[in-house]
Amino acid sequence: QSVLTQPPSVSGAPGQRVTISCTGSSSNIGAGYDVHWYQHLPGRVPKLLIYGNDNRPSGVPDRFSGSKSGTSASLAISGLQAEDEATYYCQSYDTSLSAFWVFGGGTKLTVL
Amino acid sequence: QVQLLESGPGLVKPSQTLSLTCSVSGGSINTGSSFWSWIRQPAGKGLEWIGRVYATGSTDYNPSLKSRVTISVDTSKNQFSLKLTSVTAADTAVYFCARQAATAAFDIWGQGTVVTVSS
Repeated sequence: QSVLTQPPSVSGAPGQRVTISCTGSSSNIGAGYDVHWYQHLPGRVPKLLIYGNDNRPSGVPDRFSGSKSGTSASLAISGLQAEDEATYYCQSYDTSLSAFWVFGGGTKLTVL
Repeated sequence: QVQLLESGPGLVKPSQTLSLTCSVSGGSINTGSSFWSWIRQPAGKGLEWIGRVYATGSTDYNPSLKSRVTISVDTSKNQFSLKLTSVTAADTAVYFCARQAATAAFDIWGQGTVVTVSS
């Protein structure tokens, strides 16, 4: 059980906008630590999508955006495309006994 | 462009030691702001951070694995390594090495290597 909670799955039709939530606590996101997001396609290498809550690495389309508020963060994907179908993970720093860097359990995005 | 490549046995017997190496190419492991991490993913499950090493040899470990993990660096070979002792079937996973940037995000990942613990 991860200290960062994500919905197991979300879905949307091509062209739509979806959001994926990442809920933490006062020992991680709520303590002010940054949230990062990764896209993981089956059999592929996880790809950094958003770093520092709302920053996109070079080459990541601006359809992807991140935000953070309180003890939660969100990843938004607009103009959904079939190639966006993947599992998305949030990651942050945790000061409880669990670990230093922790990942959310992952959210499987299905493009209908 | 920095690239990472994991290597090591794909099959380890229970109670033995899992050993993997990550080779860094396209750049020096001895950079000022990067840490070098190991992350794993059991089949059908999420990502788990194992630990990290700095070029000086300084390490941090996941508390849940700390008693069994050693991560080391060899700057002369531009490599870093993972040793996980007393493995069980629960340690069966895809093991990734990754670079952790100054932002604390894992910005470069290796291809991953499957390690199965079985007799």
